[in-house]
Amino acid sequence: AQTVTQSQPEMSVQEAETVTLSCTYDTSESDYYLFWYKQPPSRQMILVIRQEAYKQQNATENRFSVNFQKAAKSFSLKISDSQLGDAAMYFCAYDGTASKLTFGTGTRLQVTL
Amino acid sequence: SAVISQKPSRDICQRGTSLTIQCQVDSQVTMMFWYRQQPGQSLTLIATANQGSEATYESGFVIDKFPISRPNLTFSTLTVSNMSPEDSSIYLCSVERGQGTRADTQYFGPGTRLTVL
Repeated sequence: AQTVTQSQPEMSVQEAETVTLSCTYDTSESDYYLFWYKQPPSRQMILVIRQEAYKQQNATENRFSVNFQKAAKSFSLKISDSQLGDAAMYFCAYDGTASKLTFGTGTRLQVTL
Repeated sequence: SAVISQKPSRDICQRGTSLTIQCQVDSQVTMMFWYRQQPGQSLTLIATANQGSEATYESGFVIDKFPISRPNLTFSTLTVSNMSPEDSSIYLCSVERGQGTRADTQYFGPGTRLTVL
């Protein structure tokens, strides 16, 4: 079974600074997708960024980018120019051939002035 | 992406009762998913609902406790039956849409916060 590990329960970043959230996963599959979702206090799960495993190029979405290391099974999220609205729980998720999302335990990101 | 609504947004229920949660999506989808998020925890998949067939339940979840209906391609319901305080959670539905060559990205509804007294 696939597992997703987020080793940072909480992180803090100052406004306008850069922060990196870590995620590792374990799988024997070669074709899969990785995601970062954001869950603010409103509890809505919002897709932040998506990476296809067969693509070597790291995905980017505006201030959000990933560092995807397939051999190391690592998928970190970098948030640049952090804003107060970035404060939320961030979940890393894996989707393989079974089309089922497996989530990590989450990282709570605080953004300070 | 997808526009997904859930009703109710929150509810407080007495133990032993049942609650049905509705999930409506803005266009037809093949698969709909139901998740549970216990307080302070991550999301756990309850079941996958395909239109016209029985839902597929994950280990630890049974149809008698969480019956699911999928009457058409835009709607599904999840019932939490014979509730106990341990059922207090956020329940989320999601649908799968494609950004690449297949439907491969899940989009979530706003969730239903259930409290069982």
